[in-house]
Amino acid sequence: EADIYQTPRYLVIGTGKKITLECSQTMGHDKMYWYQQDPGMELHLIHYSYGVNSTEKGDLSSESTVSRIRTEHFPLTLESARPSHTSQYLCASSSTGSGQPQHFGDGTRLSIL
Amino acid sequence: KNQVEQSPQSLIILEGKNCTLQCNYTVSPFSNLRWYKQDTGRGPVSLTIMTFSENTKSNGRYTATLDADTKQSSLHITASQLSDSASYICVVSDRGSTLGRLYFGRGTQLTVWP
Repeated sequence: EADIYQTPRYLVIGTGKKITLECSQTMGHDKMYWYQQDPGMELHLIHYSYGVNSTEKGDLSSESTVSRIRTEHFPLTLESARPSHTSQYLCASSSTGSGQPQHFGDGTRLSIL
Repeated sequence: KNQVEQSPQSLIILEGKNCTLQCNYTVSPFSNLRWYKQDTGRGPVSLTIMTFSENTKSNGRYTATLDADTKQSSLHITASQLSDSASYICVVSDRGSTLGRLYFGRGTQLTVWP
């Protein structure tokens, strides 16, 4: 069982609100990732980080932002939520090295009304 | 076009039966291929990893195969159990970048009936 936690698990909120999705891991992994997953579709990488103070945008354009101030913490923020942001957001981490598995959290299911 | 294609999209089998899930990829250069199991409402969990030189690898009732020449992989589940009901995702990593970019399939949704 991987030690990576996401909160909240579910969030229903109105348009225009600022949202922060939390992700924490206790494995000391340097690499962390945020994915967006819609039903029946593949995971899309939206942000990743190689370590503290390192953040990069992924393949899928996203209006969200991330920060990595501590190794174990990688929050994702939406400044002004819109219905198009409705999706499942998965956080993952991995250790450095080729072929290391990504350990996923159980996700946050976000619904913007 | 997605560089990782999985089939079938969904599958229903009876408990105790075997099944095989397919994954075809076009990712190049190839580094490794990993199968993940994602239970409903949970994050994906790695089942097995296949590197270029490996043809087959088992993890309990799960056996993965890889044909790097034809760029095909399969995941065989033996004596299925109700707890095998999940989405099985094929993920291919390339060697073309420091990140070791991952390419995700859309998954096969497996349902095991009693």
